[in-house]
Order: sequence, then C-alpha cells, then structure tokens
Amino acid sequence: AQSVAQPEDQVNVAEGNPLTVKCTYSVSGNPYLFWYVQYPNRGLQFLLKYITGDNLVKGSYGFEAEFNKSQTSFHLKKPSALVSDSALYFCAAYGGYNKLIFGAGTRLAVHP
Amino acid sequence: EPEVTQTPSHQVTQMGQEVILRCVPISNHLYFYWYRQILGQKVEFLVSFYNNEISEKSEIFDDQFSVERPDGSNFTLKIRSTKLEDSAMYFCASQQAINSPLHFGNGTRLTVT
Repeated sequence: AQSVAQPEDQVNVAEGNPLTVKCTYSVSGNPYLFWYVQYPNRGLQFLLKYITGDNLVKGSYGFEAEFNKSQTSFHLKKPSALVSDSALYFCAAYGGYNKLIFGAGTRLAVHP
Repeated sequence: EPEVTQTPSHQVTQMGQEVILRCVPISNHLYFYWYRQILGQKVEFLVSFYNNEISEKSEIFDDQFSVERPDGSNFTLKIRSTKLEDSAMYFCASQQAINSPLHFGNGTRLTVT
C-alpha cells in the first residue's frame, strides 16, 4: 500500500539552529514528493516538491528538502529556524493517478 | 495570487441533515479535490475530480457523499445525511496539471451535533 510516514509528532528547535523534519515514503513507480505547511485555522500551503532532477530541492521561506532514493526519504530542512516557522508540516506523495496522500504531520515548535 | 475559496468557513448542522460545502477553485485549474482533517490531525483524501467525473475516491467517500461541478466555477461536496463522525475540517484543493502542486482553500469547519 502507498504510504507516507512522518516519525516525529513534534520537533523542538531553538531559534537560529538548523531544523530537520523527517519523512519516508512507500509508493510504486517514480515518487513525486511534496512538503506543505499549515498555520492555525488555515489551509495547507505548498513549500516545495521533488519530481525529478537534483536531489536537493529548494522551496519557499528558505526551506529545502533532500530526496534520498535508497533510504526512501524526503526530509525537510532549514539552516536557521525562525519562531515564525512554528507550524504543522505535512509530507505528501502521489499514491495513485490522481491521489496525493499525506503523512500524519509534524508539529514544529521553534523557541526564542 | 489566485486563491481557492471555500464557503462557509464554519457550518453547524444536526445529525441526519444534508450539508453542501462550496468551493471556487482557481480558474484555470483542471483537477479538483476534497480532503478532510479531524482535529488538526492527518489530512485524509476523500475524492478527486477531473473532466466532470470522479477520478479516485477513498473508502471514506461512501454513498452519503457526492461531488458536483454544476456551473464550471463552483465545486461542491454534499453529505446527504450527516453523522457525528463527519465533524471535521473539509478542504477543497485544485491543481493545474497532474503532478503540479495542489492549492488548498482555508477550509470549512463542519460541526455535526
């Protein structure tokens, strides 16, 4: 079955430190991978995607993600976290022709 | 930047009643979706819609659910007879082309009492 796993319910980081939010996937065929962010009472906002090409993908707000085929991972990273980055982050992958499936989400808390 | 808009932002209904959740996707988008999220938890796929028909649907999307794009602008989700467990945040999304990012609305919070 197609699935996306985010092993951490919450990640705590001090402002200015690097952050990593983990994601692994299990899909058939070539993986099309995405990261979305959700702020309170809002919809999901697109951050970045991997379709093909460079394994390091750069996205909005200074975020980037590294695709690792051998580890079936697509971890989200940022070199220096901001308090305003605190939100719920979702990894997603296509699990069918027209079906984007999401991980359970990771709550990122950046402390001053 | 074009946005997906959803109305109402909050809908309260009694168990057994019908509700219609409305969405206006981005105008040049071709693929449309409904997702739901319970209590800020996992985002669950409900249904995808393309070329005026359902492309895929999940096991959640049973006979009580239906979707429609009646006028080429709106995209609606109807729940015929609501249950308590239908209480959730419902998100509409649209997409310009396959494998491009989905654009989400801000959601409709459905509360079934």
